[in-house]
Amino acid sequence: EVQLVESGGGLVKPGGSLRLSCAASGFTFRSHSMNWVRQAPGKGLEWVSSISSSGDFIHYAAAVKGRFTFSRDNAKNSLYLQMNSLRPEDTAVYYCARVCLACGVASSDYWGLGTLVTVSS
Amino acid sequence: QSVLTQPPSVSAAPGHKVTLSCSGSSSNIGNNFVSWYQQFPGAAPRLLIYENNKRPSGIPDRFSGSKSDTSATLGITGLQTGDEADYYCGTWDSSLNGVVFGGGTRLTVL
Repeated sequence: EVQLVESGGGLVKPGGSLRLSCAASGFTFRSHSMNWVRQAPGKGLEWVSSISSSGDFIHYAAAVKGRFTFSRDNAKNSLYLQMNSLRPEDTAVYYCARVCLACGVASSDYWGLGTLVTVSS
Repeated sequence: QSVLTQPPSVSAAPGHKVTLSCSGSSSNIGNNFVSWYQQFPGAAPRLLIYENNKRPSGIPDRFSGSKSDTSATLGITGLQTGDEADYYCGTWDSSLNGVVFGGGTRLTVL
């Protein structure tokens, strides 16, 4: 069974940092590109970042570029999102999601339950 | 303001058919595959359609997708009260070099 479990969310002050993790199991992790997608309270989905299966290619949304760093460890079946210089508008549930094989990066077929990040003083 | 435009809400009666629209441009829908997601309150999104019109295993054939030029459509037939949810379209945007989503459509079945 495919499982994605996010962790690391919490309350942080503006300007602070947080590192999210996503533990993957039940599939060949190293074969799939992966996404982070966030959802602010009561709002729609917002793509944050994508990483290729090897980790060689990474794309970021303009809203987080230069502040967030997406990485993966294929030996540990894990993803990481390092978030620096956090702003109140970064408050959201952060989902990690698997890109389906041979699909475009906009097609995420499995999602975690999400972890809530709250940026507030 | 989302890059892809979806109507905020749509309603239809049980048993009927509904179509949800998603409008974009040549940099996104016009030249890339479209996906559709269903999301219930408090839950993670679920992939309904990928590559414009393909259904992942386990998705009923009541759900269908199509694309024409810079617009895409999700069709749902035989509406059930259990279909009440938010629906999002998404695709790659070649100008922004990233994934873009629509603002979502809330479907009410009444």
